[in-house]
Amino acid sequence: QITLKDSGPTLVKPTQTLTLTCTFSGFSLSTGGVGVGWIRQPPGKALEWLALIYWDDDKRYSPSLKSRLTITKDTSKNQVVLTMTNLDPVDTATYYCAHTNYYSGSYSFDYWGQGTLVTVSS
Amino acid sequence: QSALTQPPSASGSPGQSVTISCTGTSSDVGGYNYVSWYQQHPGKAPKLMIYEVTKRPSGVPDRFSGSKSGNTASLTVSGLQAEDEADYYCSSYVGSNNPVLFGGGTKLTVL
Repeated sequence: QITLKDSGPTLVKPTQTLTLTCTFSGFSLSTGGVGVGWIRQPPGKALEWLALIYWDDDKRYSPSLKSRLTITKDTSKNQVVLTMTNLDPVDTATYYCAHTNYYSGSYSFDYWGQGTLVTVSS
Repeated sequence: QSALTQPPSASGSPGQSVTISCTGTSSDVGGYNYVSWYQQHPGKAPKLMIYEVTKRPSGVPDRFSGSKSGNTASLTVSGLQAEDEADYYCSSYVGSNNPVLFGGGTKLTVL
């Protein structure tokens, strides 16, 4: 059974760096084709894809946020970490991590974490 | 890259069918067979309903179907049920440097 749990601070000040952790079970990020992505959703607004990391450490970023994002994986801990620098109140959103498989359902996310609401405010 | 275009709202009565569109360009929806659809109930995480334009994950009722024509993808929900009332989002592959682009979402109301 695949599960993901996204976690991070609930309140961050403007200009600070946000670090989010996705801890998962039921799959390994060393298995061919497997990936974990991050998606966010501002309150009352649409989903926005942020970043994606694959089993082979291939990384992809949203072009509009690329300069502010870093995604890494720790296969031994079954974790994926997303950092976002220079936060602004517009970054207030629920952040989700999600599982994907390049060889099955490419570029779709079939399992999602429960989401973590991050508020950016001074 | 602008979001894919979805109607803000759609509605239908129980038992009816409703179709939600997702319009992009030849660089995204029209260029690849990697369109996905997600259902999201209030306060919940999205749930994958359709992937690769027409495929249903295990456990998704066959009342949900996907299709594509040119630069527009569509999600059809047949035999509408009360529990289908939710927000629906499409997404498409755009290219190796920007693999996922979401639509603006459609709120489906079951009358």
